[in-house]
Amino acid sequence: GQQLNQSPQSMFIQEGEDVSMNCTSSSIFNTWLWYKQDPGEGPVLLIALYKAGELTSNGRLTAQFGITRKDSFLNISASIPSDVGIYFCAGQWKGGGADGLTFGKGTHLIIQP
Amino acid sequence: DSGVTQTPKHLITATGQRVTLRCSPRSGDLSVYWYQQSLDQGLQFLIQYYNGEERAKGNILERFSAQQFPDLHSELNLSSLELGDSALYFCASSLSGQGKSEKLFFGSGTQLSVL
Repeated sequence: GQQLNQSPQSMFIQEGEDVSMNCTSSSIFNTWLWYKQDPGEGPVLLIALYKAGELTSNGRLTAQFGITRKDSFLNISASIPSDVGIYFCAGQWKGGGADGLTFGKGTHLIIQP
Repeated sequence: DSGVTQTPKHLITATGQRVTLRCSPRSGDLSVYWYQQSLDQGLQFLIQYYNGEERAKGNILERFSAQQFPDLHSELNLSSLELGDSALYFCASSLSGQGKSEKLFFGSGTQLSVL
């Protein structure tokens, strides 16, 4: 099956810092999605990207669909304590249907006081 | 609150036993998905149902089975449980399960511990 490499695995940052994480694949994806999972909860969709080169923002979050269609990036500006959690990328490689979604293993974001 | 309800939240059982996990999708959603989340494997797609019918199968073991009932709730049955089955099991729902703009809404998960 399709595999996604998500990095970094974890990040320890200070409040107020900017954050960058990315996902790469050896295969082309048609859609890239970014989810956040809080402790004890399920993943929640943050941003969806549908076109190569697309740059989309959601508040302090900005994500980009790589022009090669094999990667995606998520940036968080001016981090705050509630940004703590696990961020997952997901790529969709079939024409449609969430059964074609492949998830990365997540980036754990930890904000140090 | 995603609108997807999963019960129970926690389940502790012994090897060899059988358990049933339950999921109620968001109101109006016809498609239900089951995922397994473990520390080393991340989120793994197990199976998808649409309006009562199986639509897609992922990495689901033969010891596991699922169904979607006429009221659209779904159950995931795990039998002959092994230590390695310990994981967080998520249910997600979407409107139709088709199309690249289809959005998944996840429940809070069932934490299964097999001792």
